Amino acid sequence: DIQMTQSPSSLSASVGDRVTITCRASQSISSYLNWYQQKPGKAPKLLIYAASSLQSGVPSRFSGSGSGTDFTLTISSLQPEDFATYYCQQSYSTPTITFGQGTRLEIK
Amino acid sequence: QVQLQESGPGLVKPSQTLSLTCTVSGGSISSGGYYWSWIRQHPGKGLEWIGYIYYSGSTYYNPSLKSRVTISVDTSKNQFSLKLSSVTAADTAVYYCARDYQLLLDYWGQGTLVTVSS
Repeated sequence: DIQMTQSPSSLSASVGDRVTITCRASQSISSYLNWYQQKPGKAPKLLIYAASSLQSGVPSRFSGSGSGTDFTLTISSLQPEDFATYYCQQSYSTPTITFGQGTRLEIK
Repeated sequence: QVQLQESGPGLVKPSQTLSLTCTVSGGSISSGGYYWSWIRQHPGKGLEWIGYIYYSGSTYYNPSLKSRVTISVDTSKNQFSLKLSSVTAADTAVYYCARDYQLLLDYWGQGTLVTVSS
């Protein structure tokens, strides 16, 4: 099974900061990596798919990069509504879906 | 706009079977092209994929839950369902249904909390 490891597990930042979250796969997954945002009490929301493609309606301050085993999610200028938990998910190893453990982004 | 809505009991007794249904609106399950997934989230924890079903009835389950999980589909009602047998307190979680396009979960239900307790 492919394991997904995110770092850091939690992160404190301020409005306006540039933030980067990392996701590492236990083996190469090409660009089959997706990112989700989850706010408290809500379902996860797809932000980025195929490592770097922005889902429709997602603000351009979100971006993704990487391929193979190492990926990053970057928020260029944090907004108050961006404080949430972020999950990566691999979509390479059909038919199984696996998620990273999540990164909680908190207000400093 | 596709919408999904979970429904079912919020409280299940230990050793019994958890049963949930996901009703899909704004799109037809039987049109094909998508799988339909169940995912759960233990309180304060991360996401765990349970399994999925295609409109034809083809399924795949997370190996860690496979012995207790059954996912079925009712295309006439545009619904798919989850049954998890022999539940324990460890199955207490928020259960989500989602549309799955090539392992990409693009639409989610709001989630429903199921508590296992006597």
